[in-house]
Amino acid sequence: GIQVEQSPPDLILQEGANSTLRCNFSDSVNNLQWFHQNPWGQLINLFYIPSGTKQNGRLSATTVATERYSLLYISSSQTTDSGVYFCAEDSNYQLIWGAGTKLIIKP
Amino acid sequence: DTAVSQTPKYLVTQMGNDKSIKCEQNLGHDTMYWYKQDSKKFLKIMFSYNNKELIINETVPNRFSPKSPDKAHLNLHINSLELGDSAVYFCASSQGVTQYFGPGTRLTVL
Repeated sequence: GIQVEQSPPDLILQEGANSTLRCNFSDSVNNLQWFHQNPWGQLINLFYIPSGTKQNGRLSATTVATERYSLLYISSSQTTDSGVYFCAEDSNYQLIWGAGTKLIIKP
Repeated sequence: DTAVSQTPKYLVTQMGNDKSIKCEQNLGHDTMYWYKQDSKKFLKIMFSYNNKELIINETVPNRFSPKSPDKAHLNLHINSLELGDSAVYFCASSQGVTQYFGPGTRLTVL
């Protein structure tokens, strides 16, 4: 089955910094999604991005399906951005998840 | 208005007990899921139902039994709880690709 690798596993930044999170896939990408799990455990869908680029406020995501990777950009980080960011690929009605990037934004 | 809700939020119980977690979605979605998130934050699909029919049943002990009384509900019953069942269990729903998650149920087995 498809393998999903995320990098870096951990990231600690000062408030106001920018960051790039990466997701690599072992197979073709068709239904990539990015999620944020906040420190209270809530999982929120950020983007459905099978290809191209989308932006939502300070967050944007780009998927290059032909090269089997996706990037999540966070600009001007805020402490509320802390948490774990997951990418996942839909395959036969189930999401195959990466291990996540744990992001800590320090005030 | 909560889109996907789960009860209870916390569940602490002894080994060997039987417990249930309930999930309800008011989004009108056809597909619902149960996930298990372990202590290392790794998320794994357990079950998926589409219109009350089981479509995914991953390698999960048969002590876990999902039940979908209608399209808006997917409950998870666990028999003979073991220490290794301690985790956070998430319910989710989708109509199409995007999945919406409940707040999670933290299960602690003592």
